[in-house]
Amino acid sequence: DAGVIQSPRHEVTEMGQEVTLRCKPISGHDYLFWYRQTMMRGLELLIYFNNNVPIDDSGMPEDRFSAKMPNASFSTLKIQPSEPRDSAVYFCASSTDPSEQYFGPGTRLTVT
Amino acid sequence: DAKTTQPNSMESNEEEPVHLPCNHSTISGTDYIHWYRQLPSQGPEYVIHGLTSNVNNRMASLAIAEDRKSSTLILHRATLRDAAVYYCILANFGNEKLTFGTGTRLTIIP
Repeated sequence: DAGVIQSPRHEVTEMGQEVTLRCKPISGHDYLFWYRQTMMRGLELLIYFNNNVPIDDSGMPEDRFSAKMPNASFSTLKIQPSEPRDSAVYFCASSTDPSEQYFGPGTRLTVT
Repeated sequence: DAKTTQPNSMESNEEEPVHLPCNHSTISGTDYIHWYRQLPSQGPEYVIHGLTSNVNNRMASLAIAEDRKSSTLILHRATLRDAAVYYCILANFGNEKLTFGTGTRLTIIP
């Protein structure tokens, strides 16, 4: 298996633009997690899905952030409008057992 | 979830065993102890988890104190590839959320 796939790997955008991050989980995994990592705040859970249904989005910072999982093999995290403070590395992880999550390589987002 | 306390950093010599400590004095009876690590410029990687008994897998061993107020991740023979930030995380049974702290930055000396 190729592991969790995230795209793009790097994204540079201007403040106010819409940003869409993509994730393909490992086949057969029914949990999908979105995390954000910054130097200041460390690694934070934003939202997670089980069987394509959002279970807990309490970590989503504000209404500018939204996440979808239209099917078992694809999820998106959208930021609209983006702000410089959204600059971070965004990780997607998937699992069958939440104790053992498999993380993707991350998307490094820079908002100027 | 109960909190964990880890040293900010540790050093170890290559090919030597490494013992990474974690204190969790407020652990509840249903909290599992998880360890993840994050290599430079990569996403976190699952290492091991356990509840009460010591656990072994191909990557490491987890030694859990009898009172469960502390645990130790043991890398039996460190290699340069083991240089990473190691996170000790508690999560209650049935709670799918993992809360990552600041971890221990392990440096391996050749």
